[in-house]
Amino acid sequence: GAVVSQHPSRVICKSGTSVKIECRSLDFQATTMFWYRQFPKQSLMLMATSNEGSKATYEQGVEKDKFLINHASLTLSTLTVTSAHPEDSSFYICSARRSGQKQETQYFGPGTRLLVL
Amino acid sequence: AQSVTQLGSHVSVSEGALVLLRCNYSSSVPPYLFWYVQYPNQGLQLLLKYTSAATLVKGINGFEAEFKKSETSFHLTKPSAHMSDAAEYFCAVSAQRGNQGGKLIFGQGTELSVKP
Repeated sequence: GAVVSQHPSRVICKSGTSVKIECRSLDFQATTMFWYRQFPKQSLMLMATSNEGSKATYEQGVEKDKFLINHASLTLSTLTVTSAHPEDSSFYICSARRSGQKQETQYFGPGTRLLVL
Repeated sequence: AQSVTQLGSHVSVSEGALVLLRCNYSSSVPPYLFWYVQYPNQGLQLLLKYTSAATLVKGINGFEAEFKKSETSFHLTKPSAHMSDAAEYFCAVSAQRGNQGGKLIFGQGTELSVKP
């Protein structure tokens, strides 16, 4: 149990367009989901914490108007990269924390590779 | 504030040799500590976690780690490396409680290579 999926797995878009990435908890409810970005050969950097039914909390330096996060249900959070630029090309990974479970348990999705041309 | 430092961005061992990946942490509150493994173009898989119970934690695939508060360390070990262990390994810390609880702070990662 505790499977997290992401869609799409890979996406290529033109500069200036918007891209939506979905993160789903398939077999559990997730009150909280997290979005990370990972550049090649680097670590994961937390972008924002997404809580169901409320606004996301963004980390310092992350533009909330550029990276729109919506957590409309207990099984789905979306990250929209608006007006994408080549520097937004990265590997985006989400994780989900099971509702009611101890805080420390996060389950990670397989990641989405974004390439902006 | 919390941080994690992984010593050595790349570690190479021979198949059958001991694996030792180093992790030191800094935390102003009691921490939870984690080791994750990442294979190319994939997400993260949890190897093991420390949650203030036993200081020696056993995980999957024969890995284990020991929490040493006096040394602020949580090094990952495996007695005998397999070729399939070649991957990127991340150490991470989170706060046990408070408004920072649940947020994972990752180290820089260590790439493990296993030579035949």
